Order: sequence, then C-alpha cells, then structure tokens
Amino acid sequence: DIQMTQSPSSLSASVGDRVTITCRASQGISNHLAWFQQRPGKAPKSLILGASSLQSGVPSKFSGSGSGTDFTLTISSLQPEDFATYYCQQYNSYPLTFGGGTKVEIK
Amino acid sequence: EVQLVESGGGLVQPGGSLRLSCAPSGFTFSNHAMHWVRQAPGKGLEFVSAISSSDGSTYYANSVRGRFTISRDNSKNTLYLQMGSLRPEDMGVYYCAREAIGSAIDLWGQGALVTVSS
Repeated sequence: DIQMTQSPSSLSASVGDRVTITCRASQGISNHLAWFQQRPGKAPKSLILGASSLQSGVPSKFSGSGSGTDFTLTISSLQPEDFATYYCQQYNSYPLTFGGGTKVEIK
Repeated sequence: EVQLVESGGGLVQPGGSLRLSCAPSGFTFSNHAMHWVRQAPGKGLEFVSAISSSDGSTYYANSVRGRFTISRDNSKNTLYLQMGSLRPEDMGVYYCAREAIGSAIDLWGQGALVTVSS
C-alpha cells in the first residue's frame, strides 16, 4: 500500500496568513493526488484533483502543486472559514490512501 | 441539486450486519465510479471500498475485505455497502462519494453513523 505522510499535523495561523501543507507519498503517484477540506462536524469537501486542478467553485486562494512523491497545498490568505482539517489522498492505485490530516487552527 | 444521501446507519452489536444505501441525485449515476469512505470518532479519513461505473470491478481496504460488499443498482440509482461481522473498530461515519470520471472523488454525501456496541 502507498503511505501518505502529511506535515505538519497541526498549525496555528492568523487571518491573512499564507499557509502551506505538504504531503509525501511513499512511492511515485504521478499527479494522482487530491486535497480535501473538512470543517468540524461536516462532510469533507473536494478542493483539488490532479494535484493542481481546482474544483469548480473553490476560491483561487487555494492552490496545489507537485508530482511524483512530493505535493503541497497553499492557502494564500487565510480567512475564518478556512480553519478546518485538510487531507491529501492518492488515487494512483488501490487501496486508495489518505494522509493523516492537517488541522489549521486560529492563532 | 447534485447530491448524495446516505441511509441505513444505526446501532448494531459486534458480529452483526448492516446495509448502507446511498441515493444520488442531479447527475447520471451510471457514469461514475463510487466510493465508501469512513471516519472513526476523532480520527482521519479511511478508504473502505469502491466500485467502477462500467464493468462492476470492486476494490476494498484490507481491513474490510471478506466482510463488506459494495454493490450498485444503476436501474434504481442506488449504491450499497453490505457490512458483516462488524467489529467495534468499524464504528464511525460512513461517507458515500462520487468519483469524477477518470479522476478522484469530487462529491461527498453527508454521512451515515454506524455504532457497533453491545
């Protein structure tokens, strides 16, 4: 199975900050990487597919990059609604696997 | 409105069975592969199972293979997850999710809570 390692597991940031989350795959997955946002008590929401393609309706402050084994999710200017947990997932091969999550909290 | 609605969650004793259903609306169900993803209380997301749109190929997490069965009825527009030999570690919220054609999950349901306890 492909292991997905996210870092950091949590971070504190202020409104307006630029935030970067990293995700590393245990083997190459091309660009078969998705990012999801989950607010407390809510279902996950899809943000990015194909490592860098924004889902329809997702604001452009979110961006993704990377290929192979190393990927990043960047939020350019953190807003109150962005405080949530973010997960990466590889869909290169089954079983699909998620990273452990990054909880973004208010400083 | 494009959405997925799960049903069938509830309380079941260890060793028991439960069947979850997922009803899609607002899109052509038969065109999409579908997934089940779960989340134990206070934990992260875990892939459970997936089924293709066309040939019915199925995929399972090692933790549920042999105990869970995913299926779909395109004529009834419904996705199922038959869960058997349930264990306390199977407890959590089960999400139905749609796979974008040839890509990753792009739509999630609101989740169904499964509690395994005596």
